[in-house]
Amino acid sequence: DTAVSQTPKYLVTQMGNDKSIKCEQNLGHDTMYWYKQDSKKFLKIMFSYNNKELIINETVPNRFSPKSPDKAHLNLHINSLELGDSAVYFCASSQQGAYEQYFGPGTRLTVT
Amino acid sequence: GNSVTQMEGPVTLSEEAFLTINCTYTATGYPSLFWYVQYPGEGLQLLLKATKADDKGSNKGFEATYRKETTSFHLEKGSVQVSDSAVYFCALREDSSASKIIFGSGTRLSIRP
Repeated sequence: DTAVSQTPKYLVTQMGNDKSIKCEQNLGHDTMYWYKQDSKKFLKIMFSYNNKELIINETVPNRFSPKSPDKAHLNLHINSLELGDSAVYFCASSQQGAYEQYFGPGTRLTVT
Repeated sequence: GNSVTQMEGPVTLSEEAFLTINCTYTATGYPSLFWYVQYPGEGLQLLLKATKADDKGSNKGFEATYRKETTSFHLEKGSVQVSDSAVYFCALREDSSASKIIFGSGTRLSIRP
């Protein structure tokens, strides 16, 4: 029944590694997002896809690459992980133009 | 650019106290305004919204009024409960088609029994 799900919930890895976080929504929405929440709880949008097309791409290092195989999935791949990438990453979805975004439970990434 | 500023926390209150969390915004055009809540270990949930000036959003005893003249959207609740302990985010959505939401820095609220 989970509306927006993310895997894994926790991810601990070493600097320099490459990792992926997966997101799936079963709400039938056409727009999906990735947000980064830092240790001070500040939440910032990274990417947004509408019908598999990139529509928002904030100033994010090109080590981060989103991939949307279909409308229900938006995965985030991170190359050459750095200490500063440690954060909680939230996936969200909405219908284009709708006010409410539905958030997943988050993935806590720790880079050592 | 557009931005949201909210009062820094943490805010600690006793149960049944009156709550105000201040939020002001800077935006061009006519944004929509929101309060989202994040309970411990969970993602954000929409608490309430207002889409035009003088609109009042309300939910679960919380209220906020869209004040264009003061560019504010303060969150209030008359009597808080321990279960209201969470982080509260004020946010705006630009009036473009991209559905981009800009969040404030969040205010942690703790309620003592």
